[in-house]
Amino acid sequence: GENVEQHPSTLSVQEGDSAVIKCTYSDSASNYFPWYKQELGKRPQLIIDIRSNVGEKKDQRIAVTLNKTAKHFSLHITETQPEDSAVYFCAASTPWGNDMRFGAGTRLTVKP
Amino acid sequence: DADVTQTPRNRITKTGKRIMLECSQTKGHDRMYWYRQDPGLGLQLIYYSFDVKDINKGEISDGYSVSRQAQAKFSLSLESAIPNQTALYFCATRGAGSAEAFFGQGTRLTVV
Repeated sequence: GENVEQHPSTLSVQEGDSAVIKCTYSDSASNYFPWYKQELGKRPQLIIDIRSNVGEKKDQRIAVTLNKTAKHFSLHITETQPEDSAVYFCAASTPWGNDMRFGAGTRLTVKP
Repeated sequence: DADVTQTPRNRITKTGKRIMLECSQTKGHDRMYWYRQDPGLGLQLIYYSFDVKDINKGEISDGYSVSRQAQAKFSLSLESAIPNQTALYFCATRGAGSAEAFFGQGTRLTVV
């Protein structure tokens, strides 16, 4: 099955700086790559996703890039704010596939 | 998302006891999942189901069993609970026409 690795496990940045989280996957058949944000005590929620037919997607301060050849994808958060502090998970799957495998998570702390 | 409901929210049980965690959804999704979350280990897939006749093992199925009683209900059982099954458990759903996974609120299980 799919194996997703995520780095770093913890990340601390100053408010206003950028944050980058990286993931690699093993199954070349995977073509859907979502990112979830989990605030303390809450459930994970989708913040952005990308399919393999595009290399980059942006949504305001958040962007995701995908390199299918190298089988890695990254989350970029610009102009970080304290409310961006959370655990972020990457995942890989096929859009209509039955299983979805997650990375181990990155705990992002944004210091005011 | 109130459309995916887990019960109970918190449970303390003794070693060797059988316990069932329940998940119900009103989203009309066919795919349902059980994940386990441990600190630093992200979301590990236990079981997933495509429909009531389809049950599949995930990464860490040993010690767990599931039942898909109806399209809307997916239960996770620990036949004989052990302390290292202490964790936060999440149910999630995905629709056939949607790649996004929706999570329940989570069940915090403690085995003493």
